[in-house]
Amino acid sequence: DADVTQTPRNRITKTGKRIMLECSQTKGHDRMYWYRQDPGLGLRLIYYSFDVKDINKGEISDGYSVSRQAQAKFSLSLESAIPNQTALYFCATSDLRHGETQYFGPGTRLLVL
Amino acid sequence: AQKVTQAQTEISVVEKEDVTLDCVYETRDTTYYLFWYKQPPSGELVFLIRRNSFDEQNEISGRYSWNFQKSTSSFNFTITASQVVDSAVYFCALTLLGGGTSYGKLTFGQGTILTVHP
Repeated sequence: DADVTQTPRNRITKTGKRIMLECSQTKGHDRMYWYRQDPGLGLRLIYYSFDVKDINKGEISDGYSVSRQAQAKFSLSLESAIPNQTALYFCATSDLRHGETQYFGPGTRLLVL
Repeated sequence: AQKVTQAQTEISVVEKEDVTLDCVYETRDTTYYLFWYKQPPSGELVFLIRRNSFDEQNEISGRYSWNFQKSTSSFNFTITASQVVDSAVYFCALTLLGGGTSYGKLTFGQGTILTVHP
């Protein structure tokens, strides 16, 4: 079984809809992250959480919110989806004990019509 | 703020050629990690290597090798005798160590698309 899982893997939604992307990990890592990938722009950080009580904005947090329900779960919500949020979304985890290497989930392809 | 630049947007080679992917970074901090990730056509991000800023030793893993030079702020990646399966997007990234608001966050380059033709 994969250490970092994301659901759904693909999602098509309409402008204005609220959607949630979920991430779970079995690596036992404290830190979790959400990124989006757009062609030619690499990966950009949306939100990150260093533990259950710690949530921080990344460089592109506008239009997104997150919830860290447990050490192993970190959800990303789009409150009112818009077309320019169409992207590939990645969840990642890391741990100080493992040199802060971030391990990524398989990604969620989101299309906002 | 940190910055990672991968000036090569796309590289195309024929199988068995050697290829080097360039990565240049900017940071005022002295303690950091550098990474390379591979993103094959299937889309997942695969961790390849982590290098501590204190360790400038080059590293070789099979056909892969990495050259880290602090003097030029570069962390280049060479694939020897490339294969079709090496076709992917490759990302270089940096994270700071120690405290501060940038601690633990990865700054990515834009990625280099490598295509290896048979």
